[in-house]
Amino acid sequence: DAGVTQSPTHLIKTRGQQVTLRCSPKSGHDTVSWYQQALGQGPQFIFQYYEEEERQRGNFPDRFSGHQFPNYSSELNVNALLLGDSALYLCASSLDDGYGYTFGSGTRLTVV
Amino acid sequence: AQSVTQLDSQVPVFEEAPVELRCNYSSSVSVYLFWYVQYPNQGLQLLLKYLSGSTLVESINGFEAEFNKSQTSFHLRKPSVHISDTAEYFCAVMNSGGYQKVTFGTGTKLQVIP
Repeated sequence: DAGVTQSPTHLIKTRGQQVTLRCSPKSGHDTVSWYQQALGQGPQFIFQYYEEEERQRGNFPDRFSGHQFPNYSSELNVNALLLGDSALYLCASSLDDGYGYTFGSGTRLTVV
Repeated sequence: AQSVTQLDSQVPVFEEAPVELRCNYSSSVSVYLFWYVQYPNQGLQLLLKYLSGSTLVESINGFEAEFNKSQTSFHLRKPSVHISDTAEYFCAVMNSGGYQKVTFGTGTKLQVIP
């Protein structure tokens, strides 16, 4: 049973560019949440998708957007990249009850 | 709004010694509580969770945590640590009732010394 799959694993982008990160949830899970983990910090909630809609959003600017597809997979898009966007981006899937996430291994984004 | 405070950023402990990682939370409603572990260059793995019922919850690898509502705490303990327990541990809280985001603390790095 595959867990949460994220791609790519590493990415280097230039300031001002746009990036798309992808996530396939664990089989049977219908809810996808995205987190940003800066170096030495705890994960910060970006947003959560359920039934292809953004259900909740953390304190992140509109440059951060997402999408969920009918097969429950999800994308995170970040526009106009800043140096401060460099972080590990974690995707977590769960059932709609939210009782414990299953995390992917993350995408390490470096903005130069 | 909910929040989590992990009082210790790093905890060094000798192998086979006991350890306690402290976690306090703040919320105006009932909560669910979690501990996650993160090994280097990996995502987070759920270690244990408190949803309801017994206030003492255990993991399969010997960790336990006790929910203390009066002290708003959910400290993680292990009576005897192994080298393989070296990792970063995150306490997390979610308002009960589902459909809610999980809020994480800043993490505690557990370093087990041989």
